[in-house]
Amino acid sequence: GENVEQHPSTLSVQEGDSAVIKCTYSDSASNYFPWYKQELGKGPQLIIDIRSNVGEKKDQRIAVTLNKTAKHFSLHITETQPEDSAVYFCAASKRDTGRRALTFGSGTRLQVQP
Amino acid sequence: DVKVTQSSRYLVKRTGEKVFLECVQDMDHENMFWYRQDPGLGLRLIYFSYDVKMKEKGDIPEGYSVSREKKERFSLILESASTNQTSMYLCATGGGTGPQHFGDGTRLSIL
Repeated sequence: GENVEQHPSTLSVQEGDSAVIKCTYSDSASNYFPWYKQELGKGPQLIIDIRSNVGEKKDQRIAVTLNKTAKHFSLHITETQPEDSAVYFCAASKRDTGRRALTFGSGTRLQVQP
Repeated sequence: DVKVTQSSRYLVKRTGEKVFLECVQDMDHENMFWYRQDPGLGLRLIYFSYDVKMKEKGDIPEGYSVSREKKERFSLILESASTNQTSMYLCATGGGTGPQHFGDGTRLSIL
């Protein structure tokens, strides 16, 4: 089955700096890669996703890049703010199966220091 | 907005008890999922369902069962709770080719 590895497990940055979280996946048939943000006491919230026919996607301060050949994808947050502090999860799935079960990475705790 | 409601935020049960976790969604999504979240392990899929009365095992189904009698409701059942089932349980739904949406979780403690 699919295996998703996520690094780093913790990340501390100064407010205004950029943060990068990286994930690798094992199944070359995976074609859908969402990123979720989980705040304390809440469930994960989708922040951005990318499909395998696209190499990069951007939404304001958040961007995701995908390298299908190397089987890795990354989340980039620019101009970080204290409210970006949370746990971030990457995931992968074979979206076309109709089942859409996600395989998650182990999470990255991002701390943005004011 | 999609609303996924889990019946309890916190639950404390004893070993050997039968435990029911309930999840209700209001978006008419055909797919529903139960995950378990543990520190350092991310979210792991327990069971999912893509239609009423249909269920599929996920990666860690042992010790659990599920029930989906109505489209909007998906229940996770711990047949005989054990201390290693102490965890955060997250329900999610998804429709068509859209993303999965999560509830806020149930933190379950088994004593």
